[in-house]
Amino acid sequence: KNQVEQSPQSLIILEGKNCTLQCNYTVSPFSNLRWYKQDTGRGPVSLTIMTFSENTKSNGRYTATLDADTKQSSLHITASQLSDSASYICVVGNTGFQKLVFGTGTRLLVSP
Amino acid sequence: ETGVTQSPTHLIKTRGQQVTLRCSSQSGHNTVSWYQQALGQGPQFIFQYYREEENGRGNFPPRFSGLQFPNYSSELNVNALELDDSALYLCASSLAVGDASGYTFGSGTRLTVV
Repeated sequence: KNQVEQSPQSLIILEGKNCTLQCNYTVSPFSNLRWYKQDTGRGPVSLTIMTFSENTKSNGRYTATLDADTKQSSLHITASQLSDSASYICVVGNTGFQKLVFGTGTRLLVSP
Repeated sequence: ETGVTQSPTHLIKTRGQQVTLRCSSQSGHNTVSWYQQALGQGPQFIFQYYREEENGRGNFPPRFSGLQFPNYSSELNVNALELDDSALYLCASSLAVGDASGYTFGSGTRLTVV
């Protein structure tokens, strides 16, 4: 069964600190892995996308890693800001017509 | 370049009623996918339309139906609404084949069934 599992479910960190979110997947055949940021009640916004051959991708203070052998990914957030408070969703794409399998997300709260 | 737009942004319906949600895809995109996101959960795939034909469906009953128009905009119709249909409905557009980067979501329609 195609599944994406994320950990932790929720996380509270102090402003300015770093954090790392984890994603494990069993989706096959694998096409790509994406990290999205979703503010409450809004649509997801893409942070990074990686294909099979890529093992790291950065977008400002966000850095994603991918290990296709172990089927694991992480999202590292550096020098967190209050505006980083959101849900972060790991999404794995199948080949073909871009059907995506979503994780349930990690809810991050950055506290002042 | 316009993004994905959804309408309405919020909607309240009574159990048993019917609802139509609308999505305008990003310019140049010919594929539209619809997702249901319950509170605190990840989005669940409803179905996808490619060039006006349904191309894949998730585990949703037939009362969830859709359309895609020649301009690639799309509608999601839900009949006989149930309380559990209350959710954020997301539309995403993309190029169908060979596009690993262009999957773009709208801001969603918040449906409340009372």
